[in-house]
Amino acid sequence: DVKVTQSSRYLVKRTGEKVFLECVQDMDHENMFWYRQDPGLGLRLIYFSYDVKMKEKGDIPEGYSVSREKKERFSLILESASTNQTSMYLCASSRSGEGSNQPQHFGDGTRLSIL
Amino acid sequence: KNQVEQSPQSLIILEGKNCTLQCNYTVSPFSNLRWYKQDTGRGPVSLTIMTFSENTKSNGRYTATLDADTKQSSLHITASQLSDSASYICVVSDSGGSYIPTFGRGTSLIVHP
Repeated sequence: DVKVTQSSRYLVKRTGEKVFLECVQDMDHENMFWYRQDPGLGLRLIYFSYDVKMKEKGDIPEGYSVSREKKERFSLILESASTNQTSMYLCASSRSGEGSNQPQHFGDGTRLSIL
Repeated sequence: KNQVEQSPQSLIILEGKNCTLQCNYTVSPFSNLRWYKQDTGRGPVSLTIMTFSENTKSNGRYTATLDADTKQSSLHITASQLSDSASYICVVSDSGGSYIPTFGRGTSLIVHP
């Protein structure tokens, strides 16, 4: 089974801190994604990556950056955390090839609170 | 702009009853439609995938239908169980070469004993 592991289930940080959320997948997937999920808004794409050292902005990239130095690891960085970044963050991965027919496999999320 | 709309937003049913969740989309050109189940505190998990040529697909007590002409899909749950309580998310992908699907906001289902 594909496993996507997010480093923390719960995280509490203070306003202005630099925050790192880590995600690791074990299936050699080319594509990795970061979403945030808020009540009533569903999943919104922050950033994604098709390959190592490659990144593309999603729908809501402001206030975030990402890093993909190795194929299996995709990090989300909050440069200076703000209270409006309190949310559930979900990481996903998928295989390339056969285009969009590949499912996304999700981690169990990191619930981040910014105080 | 690609959009996916789900209804109802939330639903409460009694254990053992059937229910149907709806999904309308404007994604074009259409490639496939997935239904995901997301249990509380967990990430979404794919239930079914439907491509253009398929109009019905079952996965146990879950049956998904697709009408590509009207751009509508439904997820029917038969003989509901307490473990069906979850959020169900409709996700549609286009065939334009993008790996980025369009997500609906989900339907929250609560099954009461």
